[in-house]
Amino acid sequence: GAVVSQHPSRVICKSGTSVKIECRSLDFQATTMFWYRQFPKQSLMLMATSNEGSKATYEQGVEKDKFLINHASLTLSTLTVTSAHPEDSSFYICSARAGGSTYGYTFGSGTRLTVV
Amino acid sequence: DAKTTQPPSMDCAEGRAANLPCNHSTISGNEYVYWYRQIHSQGPQYIIHGLKNNETNEMASLIITEDRKSSTLILPHATLRDTAVYYCIGANTGNQFYFGTGTSLTVIP
Repeated sequence: GAVVSQHPSRVICKSGTSVKIECRSLDFQATTMFWYRQFPKQSLMLMATSNEGSKATYEQGVEKDKFLINHASLTLSTLTVTSAHPEDSSFYICSARAGGSTYGYTFGSGTRLTVV
Repeated sequence: DAKTTQPPSMDCAEGRAANLPCNHSTISGNEYVYWYRQIHSQGPQYIIHGLKNNETNEMASLIITEDRKSSTLILPHATLRDTAVYYCIGANTGNQFYFGTGTSLTVIP
């Protein structure tokens, strides 16, 4: 079945630094990937839609200059949290769909970001 | 995408069927009903999806009402490993998923 790999699973960074999270579709190509953020005891919140070869589409209220998304190939999308602050500490999850499938999306295992 | 409403929490005895309801009264004709679950600190896991007909797979059954305004996910024999948050999502294929608040299911020994 379709597998989405996310790396790293956990990361701790200092306030003011940038962190890159990778999302890879391992056995299929994905022209579109999605990035979510989840705070403790809350639901997943869609941040942006990552489009291969073009600019990402951000949801209302999400700062595109803070959360940089690059989708340079059909199997890789990256989310960079720039100038991270403690309030950016969260669980970040990506998803992708194997083309032509109605099975919905496959999700990565998530990245726990802690900014200290 | 259709707005969905689910009860915030439910309990189920181990070995019994867990019936999780979802209201999606605004769902449009070409939107599927998807069910996912999320175990703590993991990414959501696909369970089942359907459009109009009832569906069954190795994990669960999905019952969709004839008017498509609601559905029920059935876990036929709940185990402790089924304890998770269950999300019902209405969406067109290829469109982004917007998650509601889900139902936190606790399977009790």
